[in-house]
Amino acid sequence: AQKVTQAQTEISVVEKEDVTLDCVYETRDTTYYLFWYKQPPSGELVFLIRRNSFDEQNEISGRYSWNFQKSTSSFNFTITASQVVDSAVYFCALSGGSGTYKYIFGTGTRLKVLA
Amino acid sequence: DTEVTQTPKHLVMGMTNKKSLKCEQHMGHRAMYWYKQKAKKPPELMFVYSYEKLSINESVPSRFSPECPNSSLLNLHLHALQPEDSALYLCASSQVGGRYEQYFGPGTRLTVT
Repeated sequence: AQKVTQAQTEISVVEKEDVTLDCVYETRDTTYYLFWYKQPPSGELVFLIRRNSFDEQNEISGRYSWNFQKSTSSFNFTITASQVVDSAVYFCALSGGSGTYKYIFGTGTRLKVLA
Repeated sequence: DTEVTQTPKHLVMGMTNKKSLKCEQHMGHRAMYWYKQKAKKPPELMFVYSYEKLSINESVPSRFSPECPNSSLLNLHLHALQPEDSALYLCASSQVGGRYEQYFGPGTRLTVT
């Protein structure tokens, strides 16, 4: 069975602090894909990153960085120097590959960045 | 153009009404999705269309009826809904296959009275 766990329900930080959102997944597939989405209060899910199971390189995009570790089945997301606009719910999702369309979503982490 | 649009933004309907939600994308994607999202929960997949054909129905009640008139449009017809169907309904599109990221619309916030 596939599963995604985001153990942090809600995190509050003060602006300019760094924050890491955890994502742990379970799958028996050898090929799989991991995603992060941001859902601001407006409701739209915004795609942030996709990572496939064969690419363990970490990625940095501006203030955002992602750490993928197959050994611990984790795909963590770090925001450096957080800003109020980063306040949102962040979802991690897992997909089994070309034969499936279904995302397995984590329960989401609500991030509040206080000014 | 990486936008998925949805209309209406908000919808209030009675339990005997018939209404439709509309979704449009111009990214050339051939997979389109309907999700339902309740407050403080992740989105739940309802339907998937692939090449304009229904490929997944996640055991959704028949009071929800999807339609894909062409590769850019996706509708969700609503009839005889229940108050517990009140939720945010999200449309998404992607290239065909689970390896691709999905692009979501802003959603329709539905209230059933």
